[in-house]
This record gives sequence, C-alpha cells and structure tokens, in this order.
Amino acid sequence: DGGITQSPKYLFRKEGQNVTLSCEQNLNHDAMYWYRQDPGQGLRLIYYSQIVNDFQKGDIAEGYSVSREKKESFPLTVTSAQKNPTAFYLCATNRQGSYGYTFGSGTRLTVV
Amino acid sequence: GENVEQHPSTLSVQEGDSAVIKCTYSDSASNYFPWYKQELGKGPQLIIDIRSNVGEKKDQRIAVTLNKTAKHFSLHITETQPEDSAVYFCAAAGGGGTASKLTFGTGTRLQVTL
Repeated sequence: DGGITQSPKYLFRKEGQNVTLSCEQNLNHDAMYWYRQDPGQGLRLIYYSQIVNDFQKGDIAEGYSVSREKKESFPLTVTSAQKNPTAFYLCATNRQGSYGYTFGSGTRLTVV
Repeated sequence: GENVEQHPSTLSVQEGDSAVIKCTYSDSASNYFPWYKQELGKGPQLIIDIRSNVGEKKDQRIAVTLNKTAKHFSLHITETQPEDSAVYFCAAAGGGGTASKLTFGTGTRLQVTL
C-alpha cells in the first residue's frame, strides 16, 4: 500500500527543545516538501528537496532544518529558534516533472 | 514569486445548492492549477486540476474554470452534499523557479447544511 507516513500524529514540545518530525514515503517520488498550516493562513512552504542530499529553503525556513539522506525520508527538525512552532505540519511528495502533490496525514505540534 | 488569493474564506450553502470558490494568481507563467480538499485532522487530497491550455474541466459534480487573461480560476461544486463540507485550497505552479513547487491560497471552509 503506497503512501506517505508522517509520525507522530501529535507532538508536544517544551520551550527550548528541538523536535524532529518524520516523513517517510514509498511512492518512489523524487521531490518532498514540508508545509506549515496555521488557521487562516493556508499552507506555507518551509523546505523542499528535489533529489537526495539536496534541499532548498521555502518561504518560512527560519527556525527549521531538514535532511535528505535517503529518497524515502525527509525529516523536519523544529529548533528552539522557531519562536512560534505550534502548528499543523504537512509533508508532501511528487514525481519529477509532475505537479500533483500527495500529502501525508500531518503532525500537530504543540508547545507546552 | 507567485501569490495566490482565495475567496471567500468561509462559505455556507444548503444541501443541493451550488458552491463557487474563486482564486487569483499573480505569475502569468503559472500553468498548473489544482484544487485540494482537506477534511478535519487530515492532509489535503487532490480533487481536480487544470492546465493552462484548457479553459474548463469537469468531473461529475465538480468543475474548474480558468481565465488566463484575467489570471483567475474557480471551483464549482453542484448539488452539494453534507460530505462536501471541508476546507478547500487552490494552488498554482509552473512559473519561474522550481517548476513543481505549489503556492497555495489561504483556504475556504465550506459548510453544507441540511
């Protein structure tokens, strides 16, 4: 059953902590994306990667970091430098040359 | 970069009525315009898309129209049903820079009432 797996579904972070959100795909898609979703603001691009070992900043990359060591995996780290990390985080993928995204089911991060 | 505006932010219709959501985009080079439906607590799912060489596309009760001159596109849902209640996002891609990267609108919360 091909798809995208995001984990965990819910995540709580204390002030000053780094946390890592997982995104794994078995669709053999080349490109992977991380979006942040806040109420009334739609989906904003954090980072994206079109090939292994390469990634680019999106519109709101400050306070986040990523890696792309394997085609299947694109983890997102929310660092302590991100001042307002509480949000719903979505991972998406698509094939090279294709525009249509497949989304994961998201991770809801809350700062406590 | 691309900027996509979406209206209205909320829309309430009675079951059986039609719903229309409108989006405008800024980059005249954009050539791909998808619509996504997001149910509560889930990731968005693609429901229909259109490319710039087509003016209209229909899939059962859902249709999308594109006016490239005016740089706007719209989602039309006919004979709405309660299961159509969700948040809908438009997006645009294909302009300068990374061709496959989507820019999203801010979403429309559609409520279909009985």
